[in-house]
Amino acid sequence: AQKITQTQPGMFVQEKEAVTLDCTYDTSDPSYGLFWYKQPSSGEMIFLIYQGSYDQQNATEGRYSLNFQKARKSANLVISASQLGDSAMYFCAMREGRSGTYKYIFGTGTRLKVLA
Amino acid sequence: GAVVSQHPSWVICKSGTSVKIECRSLDFQATTMFWYRQFPKQSLMLMATSNEGSKATYEQGVEKDKFLINHASLTLSTLTVTSAHPEDSSFYICSAKGGTGNQPQHFGDGTRLSIL
Repeated sequence: AQKITQTQPGMFVQEKEAVTLDCTYDTSDPSYGLFWYKQPSSGEMIFLIYQGSYDQQNATEGRYSLNFQKARKSANLVISASQLGDSAMYFCAMREGRSGTYKYIFGTGTRLKVLA
Repeated sequence: GAVVSQHPSWVICKSGTSVKIECRSLDFQATTMFWYRQFPKQSLMLMATSNEGSKATYEQGVEKDKFLINHASLTLSTLTVTSAHPEDSSFYICSAKGGTGNQPQHFGDGTRLSIL
């Protein structure tokens, strides 16, 4: 079974608009972490934002915010005021396990295209 | 901060050649390093996890003798693709993680390996 599910293979958004990229996860660990990464066409993976399973508040980093709904096991990424440079592949990832045996699982990604 | 350098960025070589890819954390000590493989338009597949000074833990289906991983120091891990064949052609990307569980992985820029 998929542990990280990104149901949107591709998304379009108009420049300056906000966009939400969906991510749902499945784990039985009480302690886990959720990450979002951006991968431009050049290939590098850029860390955007982190949410810990025990964090009470939704994480925010500049224009990025994570809509964490623990009961629904969702961790959607919200990008506000989209820019052309936001066009890229976005991966949701989950960290499971204990220190020393961490395992990271990535979703299949969502390709975002920002339109001028 | 948290820069990971991966070298080389491109490799083109003949079938049967062994190829070594280096992954260095430049400004932090990486207690754990990860090696991923990514096929075009697909997600990252974890190949192995290595902790400094200990043997790498390989994911199911990854041949240990084919993909040799050495994590000799807190700042360097290497992946050697031995006797590479065309089916080994892929994008290989390393990541490094230090500190506590909520620290993200920081990725290198990846290596595009093409075996002729």
